[in-house]
Amino acid sequence: EVQLLESGGDLVQPGGSLRLSCAASGFTFSTYAMSWVRQAPGKGLEWVSGIGASGDSTYYADSVKGRFTIARDISKNTVHLQMNSLRAGDTAKYYCAKHEGNWLGALDMWGQGTMVTVSS
Amino acid sequence: IVLTQSPGTLSLSPGERATLSCRASQSVSSNYLAWYQQKPGQAPRLLIYGASSRATGIPDRFSGSGSGTDFTLTISRLEPEDFAVYYCQQYGNSPRTFGQGTKVEIK
Repeated sequence: EVQLLESGGDLVQPGGSLRLSCAASGFTFSTYAMSWVRQAPGKGLEWVSGIGASGDSTYYADSVKGRFTIARDISKNTVHLQMNSLRAGDTAKYYCAKHEGNWLGALDMWGQGTMVTVSS
Repeated sequence: IVLTQSPGTLSLSPGERATLSCRASQSVSSNYLAWYQQKPGQAPRLLIYGASSRATGIPDRFSGSGSGTDFTLTISRLEPEDFAVYYCQQYGNSPRTFGQGTKVEIK
């Protein structure tokens, strides 16, 4: 069974940092691209960042470029999102999601999400 | 690419047909357009990819159509479990983008 388990969400002050993790199981992790998608309370979905299957290619939404960094550890079947210079507008539930292939195609499996709150 | 979904809310009764629209600000490369369903408190679920292909385990009452800039999700006969929010997403251009969602509610 494919499972994605996010962790690391927390309450953080503006300007602070946080590192999210997503532990994957039930599929060959090294052959699929992965992404983070966020959803602010009561709002729609926003794609945040993605990483290719090998980890060599990374992609970011303009809203987080230069502040967030995505990485994957194939040996631990884990993908991380390092978030720096956090702002109130980054407050959201962050979902880890698996792409259907080794590129950033459709998202065919999602975790349950982890909540990030940026507030003083 | 900006995706605009309409209507914002669709009020229908079980058994009725639902037609949801997703319009792109420019042509979606290779019709790489997906539809997701999200119920309250749950993660999104992939319904349709490639504009018209059903994902694994998705009932055939869900169908997708369209190309270029205009796409449609049709639910032929609404079941009680289909009342939810539906999002379209394009994955043919960077950055990937979602529409703002259409809520299908019970009339």
